[in-house]
Amino acid sequence: QQQVKQSPQSLIVQKGGISIINCAYENTAFDYFPWYQQFPGKGPALLIAIRPDVSEKKEGRFTISFNKSAKQFSLHIMDSQPGDSATYFCAAHLGGYSTLTFGKGTMLLVSP
Amino acid sequence: NAGVTQTPKFRILKIGQSMTLQCTQDMNHNYMYWYRQDPGMGLKLIYYSVGAGITDKGEVPNGYNVSRSTTEDFPLRLELAAPSQTSVYFCASSLQGDGFAEQYFGPGTRLTVT
Repeated sequence: QQQVKQSPQSLIVQKGGISIINCAYENTAFDYFPWYQQFPGKGPALLIAIRPDVSEKKEGRFTISFNKSAKQFSLHIMDSQPGDSATYFCAAHLGGYSTLTFGKGTMLLVSP
Repeated sequence: NAGVTQTPKFRILKIGQSMTLQCTQDMNHNYMYWYRQDPGMGLKLIYYSVGAGITDKGEVPNGYNVSRSTTEDFPLRLELAAPSQTSVYFCASSLQGDGFAEQYFGPGTRLTVT
């Protein structure tokens, strides 16, 4: 019940296209869903996050869509650029002072 | 601010050797974390700390030990290195412990045990 399942494992998108990464969870007690971005050789960094009382959050070209009834959330990267090539992790927080549970990651490659 | 710093960047250990991975943060964060990252497996929490003198186990604590004597430092100790501990290790910190607090990650330590 603590798992967060992320797909796909890898993704190749052409420059200018839309990248979509999906995550699913079982535990309805999760109360916060961040996405982290990791470039090769670097540590992950927070990209965008959403709470379950909101269905969508947009920051620039990055949008989280949240479907509470389906227990799914996704990251959309509009007008994908080669500089977006990185590994993306979804995560979920259980509530209170607990820690984050991460998905297994999606390696995104945006071809020029 | 340097943020979260980790040393060393790379290390090769022989089976049975011991070592300490160092982690320091200069953001006065109370919460600190150690993760390991294996290819295709995401980030697994090893140990975390909610403040100086207080630590707790994460998902994969076996084979590791931690201590937190100061707010700034959170070293991770491997006592008897095993090939299964070959991984990339990340230290992170956050101001608060609730999930809404952003975790700041260090650059990682790549460890190989042969």
